Amino acid sequence: EPEVTQTPSHQVTQMGQEVILRCVPISNHLYFYWYRQILGQKVEFLVSFYNNEISEKSEIFDDQFSVERPDGSNFTLKIRSTKLEDSAMYFCASSEGWQPQHFGDGTRLSIL
Amino acid sequence: GESVGLHLPTLSVQEGDNSIINCAYSNSASDYFIWYKQESGKGPQFIIDIRSNMDKRQGQRVTVLLNKTVKHLSLQIAATQPGDSAVYFCAEDYQGAQKLVFGQGTRLTINP
Repeated sequence: EPEVTQTPSHQVTQMGQEVILRCVPISNHLYFYWYRQILGQKVEFLVSFYNNEISEKSEIFDDQFSVERPDGSNFTLKIRSTKLEDSAMYFCASSEGWQPQHFGDGTRLSIL
Repeated sequence: GESVGLHLPTLSVQEGDNSIINCAYSNSASDYFIWYKQESGKGPQFIIDIRSNMDKRQGQRVTVLLNKTVKHLSLQIAATQPGDSAVYFCAEDYQGAQKLVFGQGTRLTINP
């Protein structure tokens, strides 16, 4: 069964450094998403992306965050200057149409 | 403010019994609902979804019930197996915005 893959599985970064999280969505999907889950908390929406542009973003997704689809297969989330509170699991998801969204297994981001 | 972890509701069932996991959703304008299963160290895994023009939908061993009057969603798992142990999240799509709003989750444990 096709799946969303995310790399790396764990990223450790110094505060203030830039980090790029990578995702390969399911190949025929057209809609892409990033969510995050702080330890012990709910999964929270960050951003949705369709047709090479952001379609929706949350209050969390401020100017420090950006997304890109650099080629036909990858979808990336960049955090420009990481803060301690950015430590979380980051999940990529994709969907063929409007729904359902299928999630990857996440990247655990640890900010030191 | 200080972030605190959520205390997850827990449901314990005997292996072979049926499980019912409940969820109250927040927005009467939501028109799409979805259940995910999250195992330790994994991303949310799609189980079943339902649109607001339905009140029941069945899958393999799972049934979702939607009561729009009281904004309540439930997931029924028939003949619960050890592999069903996980945290189960309901999520709603608010006005077709494609940004899923997740509930707090319920931890399902199976007693042998």
